[in-house]
Amino acid sequence: KNEVEQSPQNLTAQEGEFITINCSYSVGISALHWLQQHPGGGIVSLFMLSSGKKKHGRLIATINIQEKHSSLHITASHPRDSAVYICAVRSWGNTDKLIFGTGTRLQVFP
Amino acid sequence: GAGVSQSPRYKVAKRGQDVALRCDPISGHVSLFWYQQALGQGPEFLTYFQNEAQLDKSGLPSDRFFAERPEGSVSTLKIQRTQQEDSAVYLCASSLGSPGTEAFFGQGTRLTVV
Repeated sequence: KNEVEQSPQNLTAQEGEFITINCSYSVGISALHWLQQHPGGGIVSLFMLSSGKKKHGRLIATINIQEKHSSLHITASHPRDSAVYICAVRSWGNTDKLIFGTGTRLQVFP
Repeated sequence: GAGVSQSPRYKVAKRGQDVALRCDPISGHVSLFWYQQALGQGPEFLTYFQNEAQLDKSGLPSDRFFAERPEGSVSTLKIQRTQQEDSAVYLCASSLGSPGTEAFFGQGTRLTVV
């Protein structure tokens, strides 16, 4: 079983829909990251959080430490949101290396 | 530079050939990481440097993989006698090094072994 599990693996949506991507992890963590990867490989950090909730524009990330679960929400989705969204955790006692989920491929159609 | 720079962006190697992948981290970043991302998978940790010291190489899949960062800045990931299973995107990330600081990723090098 992977230490970081994401669902769904693939997601299609119509423009304007509200989107939720889920991440569950099985290790103790010091921080959780949500990352965005576009075709071509480059990764951009969206959020780093260790508790509660963060919001940036149309993106919202929440984390429940007790349940070892995080969600990434996208409001009013747009075709330019199409990308792979990856959850990654930094576990306690390690270097700052990240343990990644396998990603959720999102396609938003006009 | 403004961001993490990796070169080349794409590399095609014949099986058995040696390759060298370069990473230029953000200036002043102490920590540098290499990750390997197979097609359709999330990245997996390869190795970690703090300045010039390689503190963790537990993710290197075999002794054909070697990484160095001799002056604590630019890093090179070398793969000897490449095999088809080495085909992947190799990602470099750097950070300031304080615990919990954000990591910045390069565009990656896509290696295809034929």
